[in-house]
Amino acid sequence: EIVLTQSPGTLSLSPGERATLSCRASQSVSPTYLAWYQQKPGQAPRLLIYGASSRATDIPDRFSGSGSGTDFTLTINRLEPEDFAVYYCQQYGSSPRTFGQGTKVEIK
Amino acid sequence: QVQLQESGPGLLKPSETLSLTCTVSGGSISGFHWSWVRQSPGKGLEWIGYVSDSGNTDYKSSLRSRVTISVDTSKKQISLKLTSVTGADTAVYYCGRHLGTVWIATTKVPGALDYWGQGTLVTVSS
Repeated sequence: EIVLTQSPGTLSLSPGERATLSCRASQSVSPTYLAWYQQKPGQAPRLLIYGASSRATDIPDRFSGSGSGTDFTLTINRLEPEDFAVYYCQQYGSSPRTFGQGTKVEIK
Repeated sequence: QVQLQESGPGLLKPSETLSLTCTVSGGSISGFHWSWVRQSPGKGLEWIGYVSDSGNTDYKSSLRSRVTISVDTSKKQISLKLTSVTGADTAVYYCGRHLGTVWIATTKVPGALDYWGQGTLVTVSS
């Protein structure tokens, strides 16, 4: 099973700042079948990024994903108030599909 | 717009069977894979398993002995059954639709989850 470790656990930032979230895999995610999801309290997760770097439908271009192998990054440029949430990475290249434990982006 | 709606009992006793249904509206059930994912209170996300429109399945190995996921294309429903539940199965259960398929070696498997239901809380308590 591929274990995904996200860091930091919590990121305290102000609106307008850049958020950089990390997702490290215990073994290579190959091909780059890595997704990022956003979850707000009381809501279902929302797909942001798939294939490590492709934005899902209707996702603003301030969200970008990068990385390969075992190290992946989600970058949120110019944080908007609605971006404060919990973010999860998920690998779907091997079974079982696994999620990271999440990074909370909170308002500083 | 594709919508998914989970339904089923919200309270179970230990050793009972959890049975949930996910009803799809606004889109086709055919041509897609469908997953169940759960989230224990205050915790992260756990993938349970998926089913294709033709009934092919894959399950998380630690749950395989207790879980069955099936699809009824005529009713546009995906079902989850989890037997012998305990308090550890208390969670919000989500169904989700996969964004197409991807290749792994010579096998096609479902991609990321692009549509999710709102989730339903199932509590296991005596």
